[in-house]
Amino acid sequence: AQSVTQLGSHVSVSEGALVLLRCNYSSSVPPYLFWYVQYPNQGLQLLLKYTSAATLVKGINGFEAEFKKSETSFHLTKPSAHMSDAAEYFCAVSAIGAGGYQKVTFGTGTKLQVIP
Amino acid sequence: DAGITQSPRHKVTETGTPVTLRCHQTENHRYMYWYRQDPGHGLRLIHYSYGVKDTDKGEVSDGYSVSRSKTEDFLLTLESATSSQTSVYFCATSRLLETQYFGPGTRLLVL
Repeated sequence: AQSVTQLGSHVSVSEGALVLLRCNYSSSVPPYLFWYVQYPNQGLQLLLKYTSAATLVKGINGFEAEFKKSETSFHLTKPSAHMSDAAEYFCAVSAIGAGGYQKVTFGTGTKLQVIP
Repeated sequence: DAGITQSPRHKVTETGTPVTLRCHQTENHRYMYWYRQDPGHGLRLIHYSYGVKDTDKGEVSDGYSVSRSKTEDFLLTLESATSSQTSVYFCATSRLLETQYFGPGTRLLVL
């Protein structure tokens, strides 16, 4: 079984401040981890992904995430928030299920508000 | 961008009627998924497909069925629509353990 927990359904930061969005996962097999972003009235787009190479993963728009196996975490950060970062962010875990097929589980999402 | 389209993009229907949503891809991805998105619930998997004619249930599959007769197309059918199925439906495709590519979504309102 696998699951994803995103702490905080809403996060507000000031423009220029650090962005930290939290994601914890559980998986009985080595996971692949993803962060997606969703802008209003659009589908989800990939921000970054961890695939068992480097534990610090850099994505688009200045975002990065660090895979910490001991903490089962994959938190998303950005040093300086920009107004255009306002969106909803989803963490997801992907692994091979019991039948040998891919199973993907999403967190419930975190809406990021950036205050001018 | 991955070529994933959904049709219709918006639909209003009445309780008790069947509804079919279509997802079409041009990426030749093996995996296809149907999700629904509701406030406070994130994305919940309805059904997924791991090949032509190969499908399996997700976490919220009751009241929904799917079919995949070609690699490119994945159909989601609401057998008898209910108001609780009012939602935004997203299709996604991927290769094994790779990034999912999402369609633009279908807004369904069941009156």
